[in-house]
Order: sequence, then structure tokens, then C-alpha cells
Amino acid sequence: EVQLSESGGGLVQPGGSLRLSCAASGFIFSNYAMSWVRQAPGKGLEWVSGISGSGASTFYADSVKGRFTISRDNSKSTLDLQMNSLRVEDTAVYYCAKTSPGIAPITYYYYGMDVWGQGTTVTVSS
Amino acid sequence: DIVMTQTPLSSPVTLGQPASISCRSSQSLVHSDGNTYLSWLQQRPGQPPRLLIYKISNRFSGVPDRFSGSGAGTDFTLKISRVEAEDVGVYYCMQATQFGVTFGPGTKVDIK
Repeated sequence: EVQLSESGGGLVQPGGSLRLSCAASGFIFSNYAMSWVRQAPGKGLEWVSGISGSGASTFYADSVKGRFTISRDNSKSTLDLQMNSLRVEDTAVYYCAKTSPGIAPITYYYYGMDVWGQGTTVTVSS
Repeated sequence: DIVMTQTPLSSPVTLGQPASISCRSSQSLVHSDGNTYLSWLQQRPGQPPRLLIYKISNRFSGVPDRFSGSGAGTDFTLKISRVEAEDVGVYYCMQATQFGVTFGPGTKVDIK
């Protein structure tokens, strides 16, 4: 069974940093691109960042480009999201998601989310 | 970015009765490869999103066959043939055809 478990969320002041992690199991981690998607309180879903299976290619939403960095350690089956220069509007539940072929075009394979973790809550407030 | 709209935004349904949710995109979702990358997600209260349907009508692994998807171009529909208590939640459509994946605002399904 595919399982994804996020950690690292918490309360941080505007301008601060936080590192989220996602532990994966139940599948060959290195074979799949991964993504982070967030959901602000009472709001809809927003794709944040994606990474190829090898980790060589990374992708970001304009709203986080230059502030967030996605990375993965295939030897440990973990996915990370380093978040710097945090803003109040970054407050959300952050989900890591496994992707699969066929859900999105080859060009945007990192959009093909099929299984999501339980999420971790990030609150940016003074 | 492609804008996704859904109707209705709230749908009270009777257990055992059908339910239908519409999703419309601001542009055609037909990709140059011939596929249409329109998915449906379910989010039960307090739970993460769950993929139900991808490429308009393909049920994801483990999804009951009471869920079905249809449509083409810019207009899509998710149908639940007979609503069960566990179907309560918010349903989102999602397009991945164009750069900048976008989600609909969500339709809340609850029991009358």
C-alpha cells in the first residue's frame, strides 16, 4: 500500500523558514515524480512544486519561485520542501503527492497526482 | 491560466439517490496528444484529497463503480449513481492539460 507521511509543519513568523518532509513507502520511490500541493484554510487546492524521479528536474508555482526549494533523497524515500521568506499567505495545509503517468501529459508529468499524504499544517503569523 | 468552474457549489442529496456535479473550463482541455487531462478529486471532512477519476472517465484504483465521469472539450460531469454516507465531502475537478494545473472551487456534497 502506498503511504505518504508529511512532517515539519508549525508556526513561524513572516520572513522565517521551515522545512517540510514527506516519508514514502509502498512503492519504488525513485520511479515516480512527486509534488507538493497546499490548501489554505477554508480554500481550494494550489499546486506548489514538483520534482522528477531522479531529482534532476524541479518545478515551481510562480507564487513560491525563488523562496521554496524542493528536493528528494531516493536512498531514504523522502521528499523535502525548504520554505524561506515565508509570508502570511503561505499559511496552509501542505500535502505531498505521488504522481503517475497518464494523469497528466508527459510534458507536465509532475501534475499527475494520484495518492496524497495526510498533510502538515504551516501557519505564518506574527 | 485555465479557470475551472463548478456547479452547484453545494449539493444536498438523499441517501441512495443519484448526484451530479458539473465542471466547465475556460478553454478546451484537449491536449495536443489527443488526451483530455481532466480529473476529479474527493476530499472527505478532515481528510486529504483522493483521486477518483482521471482523463475524464477513468476510475482510479479502488474507486467504486458508482462514480463515473463524462464530458468533452470544456464541459465535464461527475456522477454518483447512488449516494452513500461515505460520499459526503467536497469534490474538485482539476485540469492538467495546460501549464499551470488548476482546480475548480469545489462542490460540497452532504446528506439531506
